[in-house]
Amino acid sequence: EAGVAQSPRYKIIEKRQSVAFWCNPISGHATLYWYQQILGQGPKLLIQFQNNGVVDDSQLPKDRFSAERLKGVDSTLKIQPAKLEDSAVYLCASSSLSGVRAEQFFGPGTRLTVL
Amino acid sequence: DAKTTQPTSMDCAEGRAANLPCNHSTISGNEYVYWYRQIHSQGPQYIIHGLKNNETNEMASLIITEDRKSSTLILPHATLRDTAVYYCIVRVTGNQFYFGTGTSLTVIP
Repeated sequence: EAGVAQSPRYKIIEKRQSVAFWCNPISGHATLYWYQQILGQGPKLLIQFQNNGVVDDSQLPKDRFSAERLKGVDSTLKIQPAKLEDSAVYLCASSSLSGVRAEQFFGPGTRLTVL
Repeated sequence: DAKTTQPTSMDCAEGRAANLPCNHSTISGNEYVYWYRQIHSQGPQYIIHGLKNNETNEMASLIITEDRKSSTLILPHATLRDTAVYYCIVRVTGNQFYFGTGTSLTVIP
């Protein structure tokens, strides 16, 4: 089966610019996650969607970050305006709704560099 | 807040068993322990998970202590391709994962 797709793989912008990342989860997966991974650290959950509704966005810096999941499939994460400290890898993951083994499948990530 | 504690780094000789420890002393009764690994420039990859019984699959074994306050991931015959950062994660309600900083495992030829 196809994995989680993300684009772009790399992005370089200047501070105060805007940027958007796209994620296509595994077909049929109801739950979608966005993580931020700063160099040398583990991934940190930013937001979790169940279908097209937000389950948890408590760690999303809402003054500059936004995310949506229209129609409960693809998702976009936006940063506006970007700061230097937003330089990180942004990972998207998805999981199926049912089953004890609700493992998360991760995409390859988008590496963002803010100059 | 990180719910797990792992050593920062470990080395293992190729062909030998790699034993990666994890402390999760504040784990609740219904929280699962998951292990993922991340090879450089890739997304994390699922390895194994468990609640209170020991588990084994084609990749690894997971040993959870009786009090559930710690666990050990065992890679029975480490290869160079097992060099990665290994994350021990506690899965909380809502299937949310809290990653720590992980253990960087280096398999030495």
